[in-house]
Amino acid sequence: QKEVEQNSGPLSVPEGAIASLNCTYSDRGSQSFFWYRQYSGKSPELIMFIYSNGDKEDGRFTAQLNKASQYVSLLIRDSQPSDSATYLCAVILGGNTPLVFGKGTRLSVIA
Amino acid sequence: GAVVSQHPSRVICKSGTSVKIECRSLDFQATTMFWYRQFPKQSLMLMATSNEGSKATYEQGVEKDKFLINHASLTLSTLTVTSAHPEDSSFYICSARTVNGELFFGEGSRLTVL
Repeated sequence: QKEVEQNSGPLSVPEGAIASLNCTYSDRGSQSFFWYRQYSGKSPELIMFIYSNGDKEDGRFTAQLNKASQYVSLLIRDSQPSDSATYLCAVILGGNTPLVFGKGTRLSVIA
Repeated sequence: GAVVSQHPSRVICKSGTSVKIECRSLDFQATTMFWYRQFPKQSLMLMATSNEGSKATYEQGVEKDKFLINHASLTLSTLTVTSAHPEDSSFYICSARTVNGELFFGEGSRLTVL
């Protein structure tokens, strides 16, 4: 069974700090990995995706993928109160298969 | 990023009535769209995969006769909740996949069945 695991949180960090969000997945054949942000009552919005081992940076966000250990993480630098949301990790096997979502980690950035 | 429009954003209906939700990819063609349901403080649960021009593939436990999905064109998929009941009240979210594999979500439709 395909599973994506995330710590539900809440993860609290002070404003300006680095927030680190982690995700593990069970299917070693997974090919693509996505991070979504979801504000309460809103639909998820794509932050970034990563396919290859290593780091991928986009502004204040860095996604890290380690396929050998089957985990993917998201780092948010210079965290802002507006970053407070639930962050969803999603994994796809490839082709036209649907994403499998984790339950999300709730992040709270304290001003 | 790509834009996916979902309508209506909020709907309230009486028990036993049917409700249709539309999902449109505005600036790209989506051969595959996905329908999710999200209950409060829960993660997104995939309901079905909608492929243009063919029957939808439903996840285990999702009644295909109750949740009718039509993917009539490369830019439009519809979800009809038939004979809705209070337990169907939820946040329904569609998503569409680009040719690059990125998945973008619609704004979601909050259904309340009285």
